[in-house]
Amino acid sequence: SQQGEEDPQALSIQEGENATMNCSYKTSINNLQWYRQNSGRGLVHLILIRSNEREKHSGRLRVTLDTSKKSSSLLITASRAADTASYFCALPTGGGNKLTFGTGTQLKVEL
Amino acid sequence: GAVVSQHPSWVICKSGTSVKIECRSLDFQATTMFWYRQFPKQSLMLMATSNEGSKATYEQGVEKDKFLINHASLTLSTLTVTSAHPEDSSFYICSTAQETQYFGPGTRLLVL
Repeated sequence: SQQGEEDPQALSIQEGENATMNCSYKTSINNLQWYRQNSGRGLVHLILIRSNEREKHSGRLRVTLDTSKKSSSLLITASRAADTASYFCALPTGGGNKLTFGTGTQLKVEL
Repeated sequence: GAVVSQHPSWVICKSGTSVKIECRSLDFQATTMFWYRQFPKQSLMLMATSNEGSKATYEQGVEKDKFLINHASLTLSTLTVTSAHPEDSSFYICSTAQETQYFGPGTRLLVL
């Protein structure tokens, strides 16, 4: 199974700024998902993007997928302190809706 | 999306004891659920797939006799950490097994 490598590992920005995090992977995928995890909590699904999609939006979130480069990015615009969390990309693996989660990006949004 | 609860939210136990963690699907009939483990500052690692009415399937390297999974109904899956040791201290999270996964809030286990 493959694990997405996320970059950067940690990111600290000011409220109102945009945050971009990237996920690279090694083998072909049908879709890629992004999840958020607040400290000490379970994960929350953000967006699923399929291999035939290049870009997807959800509120202040924008996800891109470049299958030729095997990479995806998550952009959070106009960040808020409440966006402080860890963000994980997740790749389908092994069938049966199993996912392998990436290494994660810890985002801190300061007031 | 589905609502998933876990109980307890945290537990402290002595080395050698067993701990049971419950995962309930509150508004969704879950024939399959996933159990993950997460160490501090690390990603989630899938431990096993819980199957209603049948045996769980475990990921490579996960001891099935140590991490007992029971999925007796469509709304309840349990993970029992048997003879827990300090190295089992971790954050255990369950999720639904749909294409988009819905997670419980997690259970933090500390083994002294």
